[in-house]
Amino acid sequence: GENVEQHPSTLSVQEGDSAVIKCTYSDSASNYFPWYKQELGKGPQLIIDIRSNVGEKKDQRIAVTLNKTAKHFSLHITETQPEDSAVYFCAASRPMDTGRRALTFGSGTRLQVQP
Amino acid sequence: NAGVTQTPKFQVLKTGQSMTLQCAQDMNHNSMYWYRQDPGMGLRLIYYSASEGTTDKGEVPNGYNVSRLNKREFSLRLESAAPSQTSVYFCASSEDTQGFRNTEAFFGQGTRLTVV
Repeated sequence: GENVEQHPSTLSVQEGDSAVIKCTYSDSASNYFPWYKQELGKGPQLIIDIRSNVGEKKDQRIAVTLNKTAKHFSLHITETQPEDSAVYFCAASRPMDTGRRALTFGSGTRLQVQP
Repeated sequence: NAGVTQTPKFQVLKTGQSMTLQCAQDMNHNSMYWYRQDPGMGLRLIYYSASEGTTDKGEVPNGYNVSRLNKREFSLRLESAAPSQTSVYFCASSEDTQGFRNTEAFFGQGTRLTVV
């Protein structure tokens, strides 16, 4: 099955700096790669996703890049703000018609933005 | 529009007791999932249901059973709770209509379960 590894496990940055979180996946059939943000006491919430037919996607201060050949994808947050502090999870899943479609998650990155 | 609702939010069980975690979604989604979250291990899939009437094992199904009661509801049952099942449990749903690409999964607020 799919295995998703995520690094680093913790990340501390100064407000205004950039943060980068990296993930690798093992299943070459995976084609959907979402990123979730989890605030304390809440369920994960989607912040951005990318599909295997594109290499990069941006949404304001957040961007995700995908390298299918190397099987890794990254989350980039620019101009970090204290409200970006949370746990971030990457995930991967296979196409709809190839058996199990549920997301496989990385182990999470605790991001702390220092004011 | 409540999204995904889980009950209860907190629960303490004694070893050997049984209980059912309830989950309901009001988004008319086809797929529903149960994950458990443990420190340093991310979210691990317990069971999922691709459509009403179907269920499949995930990564860590041992000690659990599920029931897709109807399109809205997907329950998780612990028949004989063990301390190793102490965790935060999340239910999620996604549209995932056959023939369409994978879509966003929406999560509930979680159930914090402690087995003593």
